[in-house]
Amino acid sequence: NAGVMQNPRHLVRRRGQEARLRCSPMKGHSHVYWYRQLPEEGLKFMVYLQKENIIDESGMPKERFSAEFPKEGPSILRIQQVVRGDSAAYFCASSSGTLAVDNEQFFGPGTRLTVL
Amino acid sequence: SQKIEQNSEALNIQEGKTATLTCNYTNYSPAYLQWYRQDPGRGPVFLLLIRENEKEKRKERLKVTFDTTLKQSLFHITASQPADSATYLCARTGGDKIIFGKGTRLHILP
Repeated sequence: NAGVMQNPRHLVRRRGQEARLRCSPMKGHSHVYWYRQLPEEGLKFMVYLQKENIIDESGMPKERFSAEFPKEGPSILRIQQVVRGDSAAYFCASSSGTLAVDNEQFFGPGTRLTVL
Repeated sequence: SQKIEQNSEALNIQEGKTATLTCNYTNYSPAYLQWYRQDPGRGPVFLLLIRENEKEKRKERLKVTFDTTLKQSLFHITASQPADSATYLCARTGGDKIIFGKGTRLHILP
């Protein structure tokens, strides 16, 4: 059973370009979470999705950022018109059920985004 | 505001000793707390979960305590080894999401 997969592992973009980060959850998991980790900072929650639905996007910047988890295929975190401040490690996690009932979440290896 | 704090940014411990990491929370009562390990360049790995009605949980050389009076969780690694060197993250429930502390970088000195 493969773990959470993220690709690409490293992504370099110039200011103003778009970044697309992909996450395939563990088999059988329908709950996906995206986190951002800035250098020397903790993991910050961004968005929580279930298949085809955004459940909680309270940590997502209001502009330029969007996320989806379609019925088929991976979850996508999309950052439009990237700026240098978007440079960070972006982690995806998945769980089989809601975290409010202490289900474990499993993290992917992360995508390291560098904006030049 | 509801906070979760790990007091030490970094901790150096001699090999073989017990490492103790602290996690404090304020202004709320989490249903459970979690501890994760994160190595450089990798995603966090879940270690232990402790519920508010549990005082202690153990897994091999790891022990976690949960003191609801002090609003604190302690994470212990006994007989520490250089391979235990990593960043350890404390996390609490926040509805349907997990809120993380900034982490403590643990260095086990040979």
